[in-house]
Amino acid sequence: RKEVEQDPGPFNVPEGATVAFNCTYSNSASQSFFWYRQDCRKEPKLLMSVYSSGNEDGRFTAQLNRASQYISLLIRDSKLSDSATYLCVVNNNQGGKLIFGQGTELSVKP
Amino acid sequence: EAGVTQSPTHLIKTRGQQATLRCSPISGHTSVYWYQQALGLGLQFLLWYDEGEERNRGNFPPRFSGRQFPNYSSELNVNALELEDSALYLCASKFRQGAEKLFFGSGTQLSVL
Repeated sequence: RKEVEQDPGPFNVPEGATVAFNCTYSNSASQSFFWYRQDCRKEPKLLMSVYSSGNEDGRFTAQLNRASQYISLLIRDSKLSDSATYLCVVNNNQGGKLIFGQGTELSVKP
Repeated sequence: EAGVTQSPTHLIKTRGQQATLRCSPISGHTSVYWYQQALGLGLQFLLWYDEGEERNRGNFPPRFSGRQFPNYSSELNVNALELEDSALYLCASKFRQGAEKLFFGSGTQLSVL
């Protein structure tokens, strides 16, 4: 089983739609969680950290369920500029490495 | 403030050759990470350096190696190149061992012919 697994993509949605991405992680000792965004063949950039109580940043909402080892990202009112690959990232504090999921591709159409 | 810089942007090699990729972290960052991203695949952890020492490595053969210099810049060396080494190699840095946010460079696209 992969350490971090994401919904397979691609997600093709119209502008204005709400879209949700899911991610599961296998190590219950994982300490911190993030969503990164990667545009085509460019470097990943931190979108937001994910906190136990859930957190929101504008149109983006992240949720963490430690009991189910599950992370989600909700994007409301999708924009064309949201088209990218969204990476779920977990830090289990074992050896300092961040473990990346395979990514879920989002394509927002006019 | 300059971000993480990587060089070269593109590198073309043939099988059996050796490649050297370079990374300069953000000023003040002491931790440097290397990831490999093959086409259509996710980021695979390669190496982590902190304060000049290798702290962890991923499931890659020994022909993948590197080092971190006193100024915290880093080098990734790949010996005896194979076709499947063709990938985007991303370097990332963070402020210190316990910090969370990782900042990535724009990568080196290595093509092995």
